[in-house]
Amino acid sequence: GQQLNQSPQSMFIQEGEDVSMNCTSSSIFNTWLWYKQDPGEGPVLLIALYKAGELTSNGRLTAQFGITRKDSFLNISASIPSDVGIYFCAAGGSQGNLIFGKGTKLSVKP
Amino acid sequence: KAGVTQTPRYLIKTRGQQVTLSCSPISGHRSVSWYQQTPGQGLQFLFEYFSETQRNKGNFPGRFSGRQFSNSRSEMNVSTLELGDSALYLCASSLGALADGEQYFGPGTRLTVT
Repeated sequence: GQQLNQSPQSMFIQEGEDVSMNCTSSSIFNTWLWYKQDPGEGPVLLIALYKAGELTSNGRLTAQFGITRKDSFLNISASIPSDVGIYFCAAGGSQGNLIFGKGTKLSVKP
Repeated sequence: KAGVTQTPRYLIKTRGQQVTLSCSPISGHRSVSWYQQTPGQGLQFLFEYFSETQRNKGNFPGRFSGRQFSNSRSEMNVSTLELGDSALYLCASSLGALADGEQYFGPGTRLTVT
Protein backbone atom coordinates (compact mmCIF):
# COMPACT_ATOMS: atom_id res chain seq x y z
CA GLY A 1 0.00 0.00 0.00
CA GLN A 2 0.93 3.64 -0.06
CA GLN A 3 3.33 4.82 2.61
CA LEU A 4 5.43 7.83 3.45
CA ASN A 5 9.06 7.64 4.54
CA GLN A 6 9.79 10.54 6.81
CA SER A 7 13.33 11.43 7.84
CA PRO A 8 15.09 11.96 10.05
CA GLN A 9 13.25 10.06 12.78
CA SER A 10 14.64 12.41 15.39
CA MET A 11 17.02 15.32 15.63
CA PHE A 12 18.47 17.63 18.19
CA ILE A 13 18.50 21.35 17.66
CA GLN A 14 20.39 24.22 19.17
CA GLU A 15 18.60 27.54 19.31
CA GLY A 16 19.27 29.52 16.16
CA GLU A 17 20.01 26.52 13.93
CA ASP A 18 18.13 25.79 10.71
CA VAL A 19 16.32 22.46 10.53
CA SER A 20 15.36 20.32 7.54
CA MET A 21 13.16 17.25 7.29
CA ASN A 22 11.54 15.47 4.38
CA CYS A 23 9.02 12.90 3.28
CA THR A 24 9.31 10.61 0.30
CA SER A 25 7.13 8.00 -1.29
CA SER A 26 7.00 5.76 -4.34
CA SER A 27 3.42 6.96 -4.93
CA ILE A 28 2.17 10.19 -6.45
CA PHE A 29 0.08 12.52 -4.30
CA ASN A 30 -2.11 15.53 -4.97
CA THR A 31 -1.73 17.22 -1.60
CA TRP A 32 1.08 17.48 0.94
CA LEU A 33 0.56 18.71 4.48
CA TRP A 34 2.85 19.35 7.43
CA TYR A 35 1.67 19.13 11.04
CA LYS A 36 3.26 19.68 14.44
CA GLN A 37 2.19 17.83 17.56
CA ASP A 38 2.99 18.86 21.11
CA PRO A 39 2.76 16.36 23.98
CA GLY A 40 -0.82 15.61 24.99
CA GLU A 41 -2.30 17.54 22.08
CA GLY A 42 -3.57 16.79 18.60
CA PRO A 43 -1.49 17.69 15.52
CA VAL A 44 -1.74 21.29 14.37
CA LEU A 45 -1.68 22.09 10.66
CA LEU A 46 1.38 24.15 9.71
CA ILE A 47 1.42 24.26 5.93
CA ALA A 48 -0.72 22.82 3.12
CA LEU A 49 0.61 22.37 -0.43
CA TYR A 50 -1.58 21.70 -3.44
CA LYS A 51 0.57 22.02 -6.56
CA ALA A 52 3.77 20.30 -7.71
CA GLY A 53 6.70 22.66 -7.25
CA GLU A 54 4.78 24.91 -4.87
CA LEU A 55 6.89 26.59 -2.19
CA THR A 56 4.96 28.00 0.77
CA SER A 57 6.08 29.81 3.91
CA ASN A 58 4.47 30.27 7.29
CA GLY A 59 6.71 32.52 9.36
CA ARG A 60 10.02 30.74 9.87
CA LEU A 61 8.65 27.57 8.24
CA THR A 62 8.99 26.81 4.54
CA ALA A 63 7.69 23.72 2.77
CA GLN A 64 7.83 22.53 -0.81
CA PHE A 65 5.72 20.11 -2.85
CA GLY A 66 8.21 18.10 -4.92
CA ILE A 67 8.12 18.35 -8.70
CA THR A 68 7.65 14.58 -9.04
CA ARG A 69 4.69 14.78 -6.59
CA LYS A 70 6.36 12.00 -4.60
CA ASP A 71 8.07 14.08 -1.95
CA SER A 72 8.00 17.18 0.21
CA PHE A 73 10.35 18.92 2.60
CA LEU A 74 9.95 21.25 5.55
CA ASN A 75 12.56 23.76 6.67
CA ILE A 76 12.57 25.67 9.94
CA SER A 77 14.89 28.65 10.04
CA ALA A 78 16.51 30.08 13.17
CA SER A 79 14.93 27.51 15.50
CA ILE A 80 13.66 28.53 18.92
CA PRO A 81 12.92 26.33 21.98
CA SER A 82 9.19 26.18 21.28
CA ASP A 83 9.90 24.46 17.96
CA VAL A 84 10.44 21.17 19.83
CA GLY A 85 7.76 18.59 19.18
CA ILE A 86 6.90 15.97 16.62
CA TYR A 87 6.47 17.01 13.00
CA PHE A 88 4.35 14.89 10.67
CA CYS A 89 4.02 14.95 6.94
CA ALA A 90 0.76 13.80 5.37
CA ALA A 91 -0.23 13.27 1.77
CA GLY A 92 -3.55 12.97 -0.01
CA GLY A 93 -3.93 10.65 -2.95
CA SER A 94 -6.42 9.83 -5.65
CA GLN A 95 -8.03 7.12 -3.53
CA GLY A 96 -9.51 9.78 -1.28
CA ASN A 97 -7.33 8.89 1.68
CA LEU A 98 -4.81 10.81 3.74
CA ILE A 99 -1.59 9.05 4.79
CA PHE A 100 0.78 10.16 7.54
CA GLY A 101 4.52 9.75 7.96
CA LYS A 102 5.84 8.35 11.25
CA GLY A 103 7.05 11.75 12.39
CA THR A 104 10.29 13.60 13.10
CA LYS A 105 10.91 14.31 16.77
CA LEU A 106 12.69 17.59 17.38
CA SER A 107 14.45 17.96 20.72
CA VAL A 108 16.77 20.54 22.24
CA LYS A 109 20.46 19.70 22.40
CA PRO A 110 21.49 19.07 26.01
CA LYS B 1 -14.35 29.89 15.66
CA ALA B 2 -14.27 26.98 18.11
CA GLY B 3 -11.92 24.14 17.27
CA VAL B 4 -12.55 20.42 17.18
CA THR B 5 -13.60 19.09 20.55
CA GLN B 6 -13.37 15.54 21.80
CA THR B 7 -14.86 13.96 24.87
CA PRO B 8 -13.85 12.48 27.13
CA ARG B 9 -10.14 13.45 27.20
CA TYR B 10 -9.12 10.41 29.25
CA LEU B 11 -10.70 7.03 29.70
CA ILE B 12 -9.73 3.82 31.48
CA LYS B 13 -11.53 0.63 30.52
CA THR B 14 -11.15 -3.08 31.16
CA ARG B 15 -10.53 -5.74 28.52
CA GLY B 16 -13.78 -6.97 27.01
CA GLN B 17 -15.69 -3.75 27.67
CA GLN B 18 -16.85 -1.40 24.99
CA VAL B 19 -16.29 2.35 24.66
CA THR B 20 -17.81 5.28 22.80
CA LEU B 21 -15.82 8.41 22.00
CA SER B 22 -17.34 11.66 20.80
CA CYS B 23 -16.15 14.36 18.42
CA SER B 24 -17.63 17.74 17.55
CA PRO B 25 -16.14 19.21 14.36
CA ILE B 26 -15.47 22.84 13.56
CA SER B 27 -18.72 24.58 12.67
CA GLY B 28 -19.44 24.16 8.96
CA HIS B 29 -17.12 21.20 8.50
CA ARG B 30 -18.88 18.17 7.10
CA SER B 31 -16.05 15.64 7.06
CA VAL B 32 -14.92 13.93 10.26
CA SER B 33 -12.06 11.44 10.34
CA TRP B 34 -10.80 9.24 13.14
CA TYR B 35 -7.22 8.14 13.77
CA GLN B 36 -5.51 5.86 16.24
CA GLN B 37 -2.09 7.01 17.42
CA THR B 38 0.37 4.72 19.18
CA PRO B 39 4.12 5.09 19.73
CA GLY B 40 4.86 2.04 17.61
CA GLN B 41 2.47 2.51 14.68
CA GLY B 42 2.16 6.28 14.49
CA LEU B 43 -1.04 7.81 13.15
CA GLN B 44 -3.32 5.23 11.57
CA PHE B 45 -6.49 6.13 9.73
CA LEU B 46 -9.65 4.49 11.04
CA PHE B 47 -12.45 5.96 8.96
CA GLU B 48 -13.94 9.11 7.52
CA TYR B 49 -17.55 10.26 7.60
CA PHE B 50 -19.05 12.87 5.34
CA SER B 51 -22.69 13.90 5.52
CA GLU B 52 -23.53 10.92 7.74
CA THR B 53 -21.99 8.39 5.33
CA GLN B 54 -18.77 6.47 5.81
CA ARG B 55 -16.66 7.50 2.85
CA ASN B 56 -13.29 5.91 3.59
CA LYS B 57 -12.15 3.13 5.87
CA GLY B 58 -8.73 2.03 7.10
CA ASN B 59 -7.52 -1.45 7.96
CA PHE B 60 -9.06 -1.98 11.35
CA PRO B 61 -11.21 -4.89 12.55
CA GLY B 62 -14.98 -4.63 12.68
CA ARG B 63 -14.80 -3.98 16.44
CA PHE B 64 -14.09 -0.38 15.46
CA SER B 65 -17.14 1.42 14.15
CA GLY B 66 -18.39 4.94 13.87
CA ARG B 67 -21.26 7.11 12.89
CA GLN B 68 -22.01 10.71 12.08
CA PHE B 69 -25.10 12.66 12.99
CA SER B 70 -26.96 15.26 10.95
CA ASN B 71 -25.19 18.06 12.83
CA SER B 72 -21.83 16.52 11.74
CA ARG B 73 -20.95 15.39 15.26
CA SER B 74 -19.39 11.95 15.19
CA GLU B 75 -18.98 9.04 17.56
CA MET B 76 -16.55 6.17 17.45
CA ASN B 77 -17.24 2.87 19.16
CA VAL B 78 -14.84 0.08 20.04
CA SER B 79 -16.34 -3.18 21.24
CA THR B 80 -14.66 -6.05 23.10
CA LEU B 81 -11.67 -3.96 24.05
CA GLU B 82 -8.19 -5.48 23.88
CA LEU B 83 -5.01 -4.31 25.61
CA GLY B 84 -3.63 -3.29 22.22
CA ASP B 85 -6.45 -0.78 21.80
CA SER B 86 -4.74 1.50 24.33
CA ALA B 87 -3.91 4.60 22.30
CA LEU B 88 -4.62 8.24 21.66
CA TYR B 89 -7.72 8.49 19.47
CA LEU B 90 -7.77 11.63 17.38
CA CYS B 91 -10.63 13.13 15.49
CA ALA B 92 -10.12 15.62 12.67
CA SER B 93 -12.56 17.69 10.68
CA SER B 94 -12.36 19.30 7.28
CA LEU B 95 -14.59 21.33 5.03
CA GLY B 96 -14.46 19.02 2.06
CA ALA B 97 -12.86 15.82 0.90
CA LEU B 98 -10.33 14.10 3.12
CA ALA B 99 -7.58 13.93 0.53
CA ASP B 100 -7.88 17.64 -0.24
CA GLY B 101 -6.11 18.29 3.00
CA GLU B 102 -6.50 20.98 5.65
CA GLN B 103 -7.76 18.70 8.36
CA TYR B 104 -7.97 20.16 11.83
CA PHE B 105 -7.41 17.87 14.77
CA GLY B 106 -8.95 17.77 18.21
CA PRO B 107 -6.87 17.20 21.36
CA GLY B 108 -7.63 13.48 21.37
CA THR B 109 -9.02 10.94 23.81
CA ARG B 110 -6.40 8.93 25.68
CA LEU B 111 -7.81 5.40 26.10
CA THR B 112 -6.12 2.99 28.47
CA VAL B 113 -7.27 -0.62 28.48
CA THR B 114 -6.30 -2.69 31.53
